[in-house]
Amino acid sequence: NAGVTQTPKFRVLKTGQSMTLLCAQDMNHEYMYWYRQDPGMGLRLIHYSVGEGTTAKGEVPDGYNVSRLKKQNFLLGLESAAPSQTSVYFCASSEPRRDWNTEAFFGQGTRLTVV
Amino acid sequence: AQTVTQSQPEMSVQEAETVTLSCTYDTSENNYYLFWYKQPPSRQMILVIRQEAYKQQNATENRFSVNFQKAAKSFSLKISDSQLGDTAMYFCAFMKHVPTGTASKLTFGTGTRLQVTL
Repeated sequence: NAGVTQTPKFRVLKTGQSMTLLCAQDMNHEYMYWYRQDPGMGLRLIHYSVGEGTTAKGEVPDGYNVSRLKKQNFLLGLESAAPSQTSVYFCASSEPRRDWNTEAFFGQGTRLTVV
Repeated sequence: AQTVTQSQPEMSVQEAETVTLSCTYDTSENNYYLFWYKQPPSRQMILVIRQEAYKQQNATENRFSVNFQKAAKSFSLKISDSQLGDTAMYFCAFMKHVPTGTASKLTFGTGTRLQVTL
């Protein structure tokens, strides 16, 4: 049971290049999220999705786009990478319940460096 | 908006000793969840323990327990019999309870780096 898998684990980009981070979960979770982690700032929410075909902005969405074409996949795109987007990116998923919310399950992270 | 504060950037504890990590939060919500996540050098985010705000009893998971003070908005993590494998960054996180169909987003603190020494 893989849980949440992120691809790639590491990447170096030049300023202005584009790339897509892939997140795949095998737990049939409805909700998926993208966070970024920066030193001294904890994790901050970039975008999220409450189901296939839906996306919404989080706390720090500028410079990123997302898509959720299939329930198990959540893609994070950088159209024109900037040094300020150097960070560790985490994907997470969770499942809603009628009376309570489950915790989020995280992928192993992607370390992205923009030079 | 919710905020989570971890006022201890770094802590150190000797093996087999007990250590307590602090976390305070600010919210106007009445129904919510609190979590402690562990992030070892492997970078993986691992759930350590979870507390529902409507439960008065403090959550425990083996050597890990919390002291949840709802009125004071405090949620500390106690690690007993510390082990070398407990060395990691620990994040406190808040999530308000939301209806089905609304994403249950996490708000994280800035983390406490714990070093367990021999």
